[in-house]
Amino acid sequence: NAGVTQTPKFQVLKTGQSMTLQCAQDMNHNSMYWYRQDPGMGLRLIYYSASEGTTDKGEVPNGYNVSRLNKREFSLRLESAAPSQTSVYFCASSERRLAGEQYFGPGTRLTVT
Amino acid sequence: AQKITQTQPGMFVQEKEAVTLDCTYDTSDQSYGLFWYKQPSSGEMIFLIYQGSYDEQNATEGRYSLNFQKARKSANLVISASQLGDSAMYFCAMNALSYIPTFGRGTSLIVHP
Repeated sequence: NAGVTQTPKFQVLKTGQSMTLQCAQDMNHNSMYWYRQDPGMGLRLIYYSASEGTTDKGEVPNGYNVSRLNKREFSLRLESAAPSQTSVYFCASSERRLAGEQYFGPGTRLTVT
Repeated sequence: AQKITQTQPGMFVQEKEAVTLDCTYDTSDQSYGLFWYKQPSSGEMIFLIYQGSYDEQNATEGRYSLNFQKARKSANLVISASQLGDSAMYFCAMNALSYIPTFGRGTSLIVHP
């Protein structure tokens, strides 16, 4: 079992460029999440998908879009990157939304110049 | 609104001693889950322990225990017999059906030999 995988691990973008962060889980989990982690801010939820076919906004959704491609895959897209989106991005999954612990991917370190 | 507060930015403990990391929460939901995660310097997020709002017993997982005081809305993590490998960031988090998953800003724990 690979758990939760994310690609890429590192990325540098110029302002205005677009990119998609990929996430996949092999644990047959229903719920998937995208977070960003900034120094001193903990993790903030960008978007989540409670189950296949549904997506909802989190705390900081502006500038991002998501796609729940199937039960395994949940991608995060930056349409026009801004320096404020420089962060570490984590994908996570859980079996149940309320009581289920989240399993995290290794993270993507994104720098926007 | 739902909120997690971790008031200790940094904590120090001697190896083999016990340490308590504080977490208070605020939610209007009656049913919720409380979680603690560890983030070592390598960056991955690791689930440690879970407490449900209706659980009468405090959760324990090996050297980790969660001191759950519902009336005070606190969910402190107790690490017994600290080890050098416990040095990391620790995050308290909460799930509730009416709200998105919420993380605290974290506590940095350093274990001294």
